[in-house]
Amino acid sequence: QVHLVESGGGVVQPARSLRLSCAASGFIFNTFAMHWVRQAPGKGLEWVAVISYDGSNKYYADSVKGRFTISRDNSKNTLSLQMNSLRAEDTAVYFCARDSCGGDCYYYFDSWGQGTLVTVSS
Amino acid sequence: NFMLTQSHSVSESPGKTVTISCTRSSGSIASTYVQWYRQRPGSSPTTVIYEDNRRPSAVPDRFSAAIDSSSNSASLTITGLKPEDEADYYCQSYDSNFHWVFGGGTKLTVL
Repeated sequence: QVHLVESGGGVVQPARSLRLSCAASGFIFNTFAMHWVRQAPGKGLEWVAVISYDGSNKYYADSVKGRFTISRDNSKNTLSLQMNSLRAEDTAVYFCARDSCGGDCYYYFDSWGQGTLVTVSS
Repeated sequence: NFMLTQSHSVSESPGKTVTISCTRSSGSIASTYVQWYRQRPGSSPTTVIYEDNRRPSAVPDRFSAAIDSSSNSASLTITGLKPEDEADYYCQSYDSNFHWVFGGGTKLTVL
């Protein structure tokens, strides 16, 4: 059974940094691409970033490109999101999600964590 | 990048049928698969439809979906509505530039 647990959320001041983590279990982590998806309070879902199964390819939403960095440690079954230069509009629940396509491919989100709340406020 | 537009909310009575639509702003709706996710209050999203019209094994056959190229839209239909179907429903697709796109979500109320 796929299990994804995010951590690292909290309150942070604008322009500061925060690092989120996602601990994965229940599947062979190093064979699936992984995503971050966020949801601002009372709003819809917004895709943030994806990383390939081996970490060699990374893609970002325009809204976070140049500020956020997605990474993974396959030896520890962990996905991370380094968020720099945070803005008020980055306030959201951040979900990690597994891509349904195993291997060197991307598809849709088939498993989600419970999310971690990031609040950017002075 | 394209946008996916959904109606903000819909309501229907238990036992009835409801259809939620999702219109793609540019490019063909049929060019990339559409998925549908359900998000109950306070919970994470779960997949109810993938590859335009396929259901995960745990999703009952009351849920179905279709693509309509003439209107460039996708639709999710839920028959025999139950109170537990009350949730936000999101359509999702992706473009060739490695961007995943969600619709704004439709709040389904089962009266």
